[in-house]
Amino acid sequence: EIVLTQSPGALSLSPGERATLSCRASQSVSSGNLAWYQQKPGQAPKLLIYAASTRATGIPARFSGSGSGTDFTLTISRLEPEDFAVYYCQQYGGSPLFTFGPGTKVDIK
Amino acid sequence: QVQLQESGPGLLKPSEPLSLTCTVSGGSISSYYWSWIRQSPGKGLEWIGYITYSGTTNYNPSLKSRVTISLERSTNQFSLKMSSLTAADTAVYYCARVRVTVYGEMIYYAFDMWGQGTMVAVSS
Repeated sequence: EIVLTQSPGALSLSPGERATLSCRASQSVSSGNLAWYQQKPGQAPKLLIYAASTRATGIPARFSGSGSGTDFTLTISRLEPEDFAVYYCQQYGGSPLFTFGPGTKVDIK
Repeated sequence: QVQLQESGPGLLKPSEPLSLTCTVSGGSISSYYWSWIRQSPGKGLEWIGYITYSGTTNYNPSLKSRVTISLERSTNQFSLKMSSLTAADTAVYYCARVRVTVYGEMIYYAFDMWGQGTMVAVSS
């Protein structure tokens, strides 16, 4: 199983600040098959990034993804009030085919 | 705009079977892959399995012996059946669409549309 580790577990920032979230895989993620999701309380996760760096439809340009192999990063360039949420990474290609990280909570400082 | 909606019982007893249905509106189920994912405080997000538009399935090995996912094209629905429930199966269950993106020789997979989720509690 490819285990995803996210760091930090929680991040306290102010609106306008930059957020850098890390996702590390226990083995190389096939072809950069890594996605990022945002989840707010009481809601389903929402796809932000797929293929490590491609923004999903309608996702603002302040969200960007990078990385390859075992190390991936989600960057939010300037936090907006609606960005405070939990963020998950997800890989495809291991066994099981899909696994998720434990999440990083971004809250308001 | 495609929407997904889960339906099914919210409370079950240990050893009982679970049956959930996901209704897809605003688009045809006869394209894309369709998946079930659950979320619990203890185990986080866990992928259960998917079914392709042609009916091919793939399951999480840890659940494979207890799970069946099927398509019902006539009603634009897909379903999840899980047997021998225990308290460890208590979770919010989501249905989701799998986006399959082809870039040359590379194929990428992600869950691009989700239902709102349905809480399933297993308790005697």
